[in-house]
Amino acid sequence: HLQLQESGPGLVKPSETLTLTCSVSGDADDSISSGSHYWGWIRQTPGKGLEWIASVFHTGSTYYNPSFKSRVTISVDTSKNQFSLRLSSVTAADTAIYYCARHLLNGFYNYWGQGRLLTVSS
Amino acid sequence: DVVLTQSPLSLPVTPGEPASISCRSSQSLQHSNGYNFLDWYLQKPGQSPQLLIYLGSNRASGVPDRFSGSGSGTDFTLKISRVEAEDVGVYYCMQAIQTPFMYNFGQGTKLEIK
Repeated sequence: HLQLQESGPGLVKPSETLTLTCSVSGDADDSISSGSHYWGWIRQTPGKGLEWIASVFHTGSTYYNPSFKSRVTISVDTSKNQFSLRLSSVTAADTAIYYCARHLLNGFYNYWGQGRLLTVSS
Repeated sequence: DVVLTQSPLSLPVTPGEPASISCRSSQSLQHSNGYNFLDWYLQKPGQSPQLLIYLGSNRASGVPDRFSGSGSGTDFTLKISRVEAEDVGVYYCMQAIQTPFMYNFGQGTKLEIK
């Protein structure tokens, strides 16, 4: 059974850079390197609701929401079965629950992490 | 950008009664291959969203058959034939027609038990 687990700081200061990591575990068929799945980050705020940030394929191909593109980097480490999100120059508006999830090209977010609450505050 | 509008935003339901949620899109979500790229998710209190319906009308693995999705183009509906207490939460539709991955979600419909 596939499991995704987010890790990273719960509190960062304004203007700092945030790095979140999603660890993927399960059967051999569930590895990041297998299949045609994409691995993405979505965040949830009271004001904007659920918002897609970025996705990565195991080959390293990356896809970004233009709203974040200048500040965000997504990467994958197949040897560790992990993928990461780096968000720079954070502000209070980046305070949110950050989810990692697996999806297909046409949506189908069928596995989600439990979510990581990030607070941006001095 | 595709805008999804859900209604109602709040849905009080008596257990055992049916429930229906509408999701309307500002653009057609039907691909040239005939599929409608519209998913439905349920976020139970304190949990991550979970996939209920994909491609407009296909139930995800493990989803009870009291849940059904229908619609095409710009108008979609999620129906629960008989609401149970465990169905409480916020229901979201999500469009997946825009590529790559410029998907967005509706505002959410909060289902509560009367």
